[in-house]
Amino acid sequence: GAGVSQSPSNKVTEKGKDVELRCDPISGHTALYWYRQSLGQGLEFLIYFQGNSAPDKSGLPSDRFSAERTGGSVSTLTIQRTQQEDSAVYLCASSFRRGTQYFGPGTRLLVL
Amino acid sequence: DAKTTQPPSMDCAEGRAANLPCNHSTISGNEYVYWYRQIHSQGPQYIIHGLKNNETNEMASLIITEDRKSSTLILPHATLRDTAVYYCIVRVAGVDPGGTSYGKLTFGQGTILTVHP
Repeated sequence: GAGVSQSPSNKVTEKGKDVELRCDPISGHTALYWYRQSLGQGLEFLIYFQGNSAPDKSGLPSDRFSAERTGGSVSTLTIQRTQQEDSAVYLCASSFRRGTQYFGPGTRLLVL
Repeated sequence: DAKTTQPPSMDCAEGRAANLPCNHSTISGNEYVYWYRQIHSQGPQYIIHGLKNNETNEMASLIITEDRKSSTLILPHATLRDTAVYYCIVRVAGVDPGGTSYGKLTFGQGTILTVHP
């Protein structure tokens, strides 16, 4: 079946602009995760959605970052007033409950 | 989640078995061992996971020591396309003490496996 999809694949923006990144999880998966991988760095957790529970936002680096998940499916990660240090690959993963996480291809964000 | 230790890099000849070690000496009884890999410019790919018993699937085998303090991922016949960063992760199963189900993955630096002709 279809895997996790993310859009756009690449995004170039100017410092100070807002960006929205989209994640379509695997159909039927109840949990959705956002991670970030900066150049030369490991993957770091950002936010976690599980069913109707309140999301775990403990990994969001600042209040410029927010995410929502509509209808328990598609998720959007929004970065307001982007900074150059926000340049990274943003990865989305989904799982059924707390099972194995499957990752999407990522969105490569470049802030000029 | 318990911390893991992996060698920063390994080499393997094409067609030979690649054996990637991972130490997780502080693993708890309810923590699984997961392996992912990341090929350049792609998202992490799930390989295999296990709790106590050895596991095998179409991609690899996972050997977990009896005391569960270390494990080895085995790619039986490595190909050039297996060149990637391999991550060993331990992760709690079930519900955390706070009562909420929580499952983030904590990635370390992984092992860069280079398969050469």
